Parts: sequence; structure tokens; C-alpha cells
Amino acid sequence: EIVLTQSPGTLSLSPGERATLSCRASQSISRTYLGWYQQKPGQAPRLLIYHTFNRATGIPDRFSGSGSGTDFTLTINRLEPEDFAVYYCQQYVFSPYSFGQGTKLEMK
Amino acid sequence: QVQLQESGPGLVKPSETLSLTCAVSDDSITTYYWNWVRQPPGKGLEWIGSIYYTGNTKYNPSLGSRVTMSIDTSRREFSLRLSSVTAADTAVYYCASSHYDSSFDYWGQGTLVTVSS
Repeated sequence: EIVLTQSPGTLSLSPGERATLSCRASQSISRTYLGWYQQKPGQAPRLLIYHTFNRATGIPDRFSGSGSGTDFTLTINRLEPEDFAVYYCQQYVFSPYSFGQGTKLEMK
Repeated sequence: QVQLQESGPGLVKPSETLSLTCAVSDDSITTYYWNWVRQPPGKGLEWIGSIYYTGNTKYNPSLGSRVTMSIDTSRREFSLRLSSVTAADTAVYYCASSHYDSSFDYWGQGTLVTVSS
């Protein structure tokens, strides 16, 4: 099973700043089969990024994904108030499909 | 845009079987793979398993043989059964769609299932 480790656990930033969230896999994820999700309290997760780089439908271009192999990054430029939430990475190349433990992005 | 809706009992007794159904809004029941994901209160996400309209399934080994998924394309719904539940199975259960080897595009709103006597 691939274990995904996200860092930091909590990130405190202000609106307008840039957020950089990390996801490290316990083994190489081939074919960039990694996604990112945003979850707000009481809501279902929402797909932000698929296949490492691609924004899902309706996702603003301030969200971007990068990485390869075992190290992946979600970058959020110019944070908006609605961006403060919990973010999860997920690999879907090897079953069982696994999620990271999440990074909470909180407003400073 | 696919819409998903989970339904089922919100309270299940220990050692009994949890049963949930996810209704799919349109004929995409034969297009996507269908997944169950759960989230214990205050914790992260855990993939439970997936099913295709052909009946092919994949399950998370962490749940052993307790998991069974099924699909009924005529009713546009798929189901989850989790047997021998304990308090550790208390969670919000989500259904979600995905293409083959892809991310989970659409999610239901989730349903809280509490295991308690």
C-alpha cells in the first residue's frame, strides 16, 4: 500500500499570500496519478487537481499542481478567504487508493 | 454533471451489517467507476472500494472480507454492505464517481453512520 504523507499538518497564512502544500508518497507514483481535494466543514471533498497538474472543471487558476515520482505540491496563489479549508492528496494508481492525512489551511 | 445521493440507516448496532445505497442521477451508471469513501469524525478520508457496472470490484484490504459492493444499473444505484461493524466504523460515508485510474470527480453529500447499541 502506498502511504501519502502531507506536510505541514497546519498552515497559517493570510489572504493574498501563497500557500505551498506538500504530499510525499512512500513509493513512486507512475503516470502522475495523483489528485488534490479541498474539503470545507460539513461538506464533501471537492476535486481540485487531477493527474498532478490538471485543474478540474471550474477550479480557479490560482490553484496549481506539480511534482513527479514521490514528491508532489499543491500551490495556491493569492489566497482568497474561501480557500481556507483542509486539503487532501490522493493516489489512484495502485489499489488500495490512498489519501494523505490532510493539511489544514487556516487564516492567520 | 452527475449527482449522487447516499441513503441508509444512520444508526447500526455493533456486530450488525451496515447497508448504504447511492443513487445516480442519470445514465452515467454505465460510464463511471463507483466508489465508497468514509471519514470518521474529525479524521481523514479512507477509500473503501469501487465497483464498475460489469460488477467488477476492488476493495480495501484493511476491511478484509467485511465489505461487499453491488450495483443495479436498472435502478441507477449501487450499494455498500459492511458486516460485523464496531464503533470504529462510525463515520460519514460518501459515494463518489471516477473514471478508470482517475480521480474522484463527483461526490455525494455524505451520510453519517453511527455504530452504537
